[in-house]
Amino acid sequence: GAVVSQHPSRVICKSGTSVKIECRSLDFQATTMFWYRQFPKQSLMLMATSNEGSKATYEQGVEKDKFLINHASLTLSTLTVTSAHPEDSSFYICSARDGARQEAFFGQGTRLTVV
Amino acid sequence: QKEVEQDPGPLSVPEGAIVSLNCTYSNSAFQYFMWYRQYSRKGPELLMYTYSSGNKEDGRFTAQVDKSSKYISLFIRDSQPSDSATYLCAMSRGSYIPTFGRGTSLIVHP
Repeated sequence: GAVVSQHPSRVICKSGTSVKIECRSLDFQATTMFWYRQFPKQSLMLMATSNEGSKATYEQGVEKDKFLINHASLTLSTLTVTSAHPEDSSFYICSARDGARQEAFFGQGTRLTVV
Repeated sequence: QKEVEQDPGPLSVPEGAIVSLNCTYSNSAFQYFMWYRQYSRKGPELLMYTYSSGNKEDGRFTAQVDKSSKYISLFIRDSQPSDSATYLCAMSRGSYIPTFGRGTSLIVHP
């Protein structure tokens, strides 16, 4: 299967700082990338969808100024959590899909803890 | 009613049992069906992918899609403790955003 690499796997940051999470497709071109948030024992919550070269489309209730998404190339998307607060602590997962296939492949996830 | 319904479990079975995991859905436009396995604190891993109705087998895993009933299943034969994880179904139509079930927690005890 296709490989999606997500970094970092864990990050602890101070309240008020910003954190950047990277998502890379290693062996395919990701025309579409998805960013999810997952709380313990809960399902995936879609935050936003991004297509290469376009602005991300955010789901209702997700602050686009707080969760900045950049999809500048066909192999890299980034999620920046700006001015992080303890309530932003969560498990963030990216997913990527290329235009020729319907299935999406996930990164390993990033556990963010804001202290 | 949610677009995709999946019983969260937990489903507890003894080692060696045949496991049946299921999802129902309401949108008849879904054409692509996927099953993912997610271990604790890890990203989901794609297990099976099927298009339209029918069966697909891969090792100990069999995916079934019944579009007339809007029902999909994942069977795991000879289940192992290492199969203990959360299994998520997902489905989509064309290039649309996949819709996920909430996941079923499976526990296979020795």
